[in-house]
Amino acid sequence: AQSVSQHNHHVILSEAASLELGCNYSYGGTVNLFWYVQYPGQHLQLLLKYFSGDPLVKGIKGFEAEFIKSKFSFNLRKPSVQWSDTAEYFCAVNARTGRRALTFGSGTRLQVQP
Amino acid sequence: GAGVSQSPSNKVTEKGKDVELRCDPISGHTALYWYRQRLGQGLEFLIYFQGNSAPDKSGLPSDRFSAERTGESVSTLTIQRTQQEDSAVYLCASSAASGNTDTQYFGPGTRLTVL
Repeated sequence: AQSVSQHNHHVILSEAASLELGCNYSYGGTVNLFWYVQYPGQHLQLLLKYFSGDPLVKGIKGFEAEFIKSKFSFNLRKPSVQWSDTAEYFCAVNARTGRRALTFGSGTRLQVQP
Repeated sequence: GAGVSQSPSNKVTEKGKDVELRCDPISGHTALYWYRQRLGQGLEFLIYFQGNSAPDKSGLPSDRFSAERTGESVSTLTIQRTQQEDSAVYLCASSAASGNTDTQYFGPGTRLTVL
């Protein structure tokens, strides 16, 4: 069975600070990896995804994530956060073959202070 | 273009009553998923429909939960004899299911409160 761990439950940063949110997964096969974001009052939106190829993927709004296969990690980064990045961030995985449902981490609530 | 839509946006019901939640996927998306998000937790998979294949019901928490899908369009999630622990946001997602690398797009959810 798949599992996803997001170790940072609540992160508070000042504007312009750098961000790194951890995501580790457990699964024996090939996976697809996703980061979703939920802004206050809005629904889940895809931030970025990794299927194959370059392990450093770039998403919307200046976010990027790096897949490190040996560490089973897919950490999300942004060099300089803005107040508008305040949101909840979810890491998710699904198997490349077989079960298509996503397994989500418990989420990280990011609060950016102006 | 239109995204995934869900109705109602909020539902308050009394313990023991049945509820129906509706999802309209993105047009042309053959795959449809239901998830549940309890307060302060991540999303839990409930059920998955793909075309005319038998649905993957492996995430349904009890036999009080069921779902149907009409062809490749609307889906209804039914919870019978609701319990307080059913209170959650129920999210629907759809995808084009093209190969093994499709992306799921989520609706706004239905917030269910069981009193």
